[in-house]
Amino acid sequence: NAGVTQTPKFQVLKTGQSMTLQCAQDMNHNSMYWYRQDPGMGLRLIYYSASEGTTDKGEVPNGYNVSRLNKREFSLRLESAAPSQTSVYFCASSESGPLGGYTFGSGTRLTVV
Amino acid sequence: AQSVAQPEDQVNVAEGNPLTVKCTYSVSGNPYLFWYVQYPNRGLQFLLKYITGDNLVKGSYGFEAEFNKSQTSFHLKKPSALVSDSALYFCAVRPLSGGYQKVTFGTGTKLQVIP
Repeated sequence: NAGVTQTPKFQVLKTGQSMTLQCAQDMNHNSMYWYRQDPGMGLRLIYYSASEGTTDKGEVPNGYNVSRLNKREFSLRLESAAPSQTSVYFCASSESGPLGGYTFGSGTRLTVV
Repeated sequence: AQSVAQPEDQVNVAEGNPLTVKCTYSVSGNPYLFWYVQYPNRGLQFLLKYITGDNLVKGSYGFEAEFNKSQTSFHLKKPSALVSDSALYFCAVRPLSGGYQKVTFGTGTKLQVIP
């Protein structure tokens, strides 16, 4: 099983450019998440999708949009990239309910210059 | 609001010695607690979880964690550290009940095992 697959692994953008980070899971999980990881700040939730057809803002949603395309796929879009969005982005999925731990993708390292 | 505190940015321990990585939490109701490990340039990997029952939880790679309700703590432990245990460790919490709930992560503790 692939688990959670994120693409791309690395990306350099110029300020103002747009891009979409892709995430897909093959575990039939209901819930999916996008986090960003910055030094000294741990993981901060950007957006999440509790189930197919729903999305909600997390702690740091400004500058991002998401699409839950189907049960498998959850994409994150940066419409106009800013240097403050330089970070490592992780997608994760989980079963809903109390037994659901998270499965993480391997991350996307994004640099905005 | 729920929160997790990992008071140590870095823990250094000699190979073969016992290790402890500290975590305290705040959550409404009973907690559902996790530990995750992150190796360089990798995503987080699940280590262990506490839901209910025995306060000592055993997980992957010889790690265990002790739940203490009165101290609202969930410290990660291992009797004998290995150099390969060097990594970044995250504690996380969510409420146990109440339907769908988000998980809150701590800021992480870097574990350095010295040969």
